[in-house]
Amino acid sequence: DAGITQSPRYKITETGRQVTLMCHQTWSHSYMFWYRQDLGHGLRLIYYSAAADITDKGEVPDGYVVSRSKTENFPLTLESATRSQTSVYFCASSEFSRGATDTQYFGPGTRLTVL
Amino acid sequence: GNSVTQMEGPVTLSEEAFLTINCTYTATGYPSLFWYVQYPGEGLQLLLKATKADDKGSNKGFEATYRKETTSFHLEKGSVQVSDSAVYFCALSSSGGYQKVTFGIGTKLQVIP
Repeated sequence: DAGITQSPRYKITETGRQVTLMCHQTWSHSYMFWYRQDLGHGLRLIYYSAAADITDKGEVPDGYVVSRSKTENFPLTLESATRSQTSVYFCASSEFSRGATDTQYFGPGTRLTVL
Repeated sequence: GNSVTQMEGPVTLSEEAFLTINCTYTATGYPSLFWYVQYPGEGLQLLLKATKADDKGSNKGFEATYRKETTSFHLEKGSVQVSDSAVYFCALSSSGGYQKVTFGIGTKLQVIP
């Protein structure tokens, strides 16, 4: 199906383990984003990518790594998971535009629990 | 920097009641403004948007007007339904070539029959 998908939808891991969250979009959108959603904080940007091989930090990048070798994929890796990274993670994409009006399209989210 | 302020809620209304969720913002330049909605267990989806002052965005009976003089973008609906129960996020997008969006903390709406 067309759209933006995330996997896994649910993940439980232990402190110190490496975890990779996957994001795939079928629209060939230039921009992709990773957010985390926590009570009282709303959505906070972790990393974003303007195109393949171009990534940059957002508001809360520490402890996370991203890559984007293909336009359609934007994996997020927690190199050594900590309990503070327990959260719901959303991937989003949007088309390229010189303006700032483009809608972001969100995936269904991954609920990550770090024990 | 940019910021968006909205009440966290929850806001509890009876079916067919009038809804207002306030949103105010701080931004440089001329941002675009959005309302996103998140239904239980799902990702966010765009509800409506406005790209310049005095624009009114509307969708599914919801409306919001871009008020530059009061830096506000309040969400309204004349008659809510149980199916409108969700979390509503106000957001702004800064002008320029970077697609950064700043979100509010989200307002949870509960509509009871």
